[in-house]
Amino acid sequence: QSALTQPASVSGSPGQSITISCTGTSSDIGGFNYVSWYQQPPGKAPKLIIYFVTKRPSGVSNRFSGSKSGNTASLTISGLQPEDEADYYCTSYTSSITYVFGAGTKVTVL
Amino acid sequence: QLQLQESGPGLVKPSETLSLTCTVSGGSIGSSNYYWGWIRQPPGKGLEWIGSMFYSGNTYYNPSLKSRVTISVDMSKNQFSLKLTSVTAADTAVYYCAREERFLYYMDVWGKGTTVTVSS
Repeated sequence: QSALTQPASVSGSPGQSITISCTGTSSDIGGFNYVSWYQQPPGKAPKLIIYFVTKRPSGVSNRFSGSKSGNTASLTISGLQPEDEADYYCTSYTSSITYVFGAGTKVTVL
Repeated sequence: QLQLQESGPGLVKPSETLSLTCTVSGGSIGSSNYYWGWIRQPPGKGLEWIGSMFYSGNTYYNPSLKSRVTISVDMSKNQFSLKLTSVTAADTAVYYCAREERFLYYMDVWGKGTTVTVSS
């Protein structure tokens, strides 16, 4: 299984909105709504921020939102803040009863 | 509050077997709503799903690692374990254990991770 495709880096100024794309195939993103997103600050474990394409766990800021169209999922961070600097990973359940991760996107707040 | 803690040797020799344990506290590994999984992250690289198991013993593995991986459970200790055989330097990584929601397929609780280096 090939990794989902994410941009290596995305940057924005405080207060701006940024969007991270995550492209897969009909065997993963396109075939299921089981897309989730994780935030990983440097040196720390990943943290779930979006599941089932659009759902936010309790305690996660509503500045984070998710969507999907066809084989591509997206994570939008609105009102970008310095503490949003981290690596972000998408993942999808697949038709092979496995998970596949994206390669990760480094978000920089300018 | 559910917590997961990885433990095991930090250094493994090439060709030997990597063995890690994840201890679950604050909840039961026998819950019917969750799988229990392992994910790894080589230095400077992205996350890679290794595999998952259900408390009943059903297991699911990454096809690229399937021939070398075994995940098992010890209900009496509320632990699950990872064994990876015939390791090479490419298996050097931070290894995370995580709880996987069974019906909507996401990882909602993660351990802090443990670093394993493969070197002679």
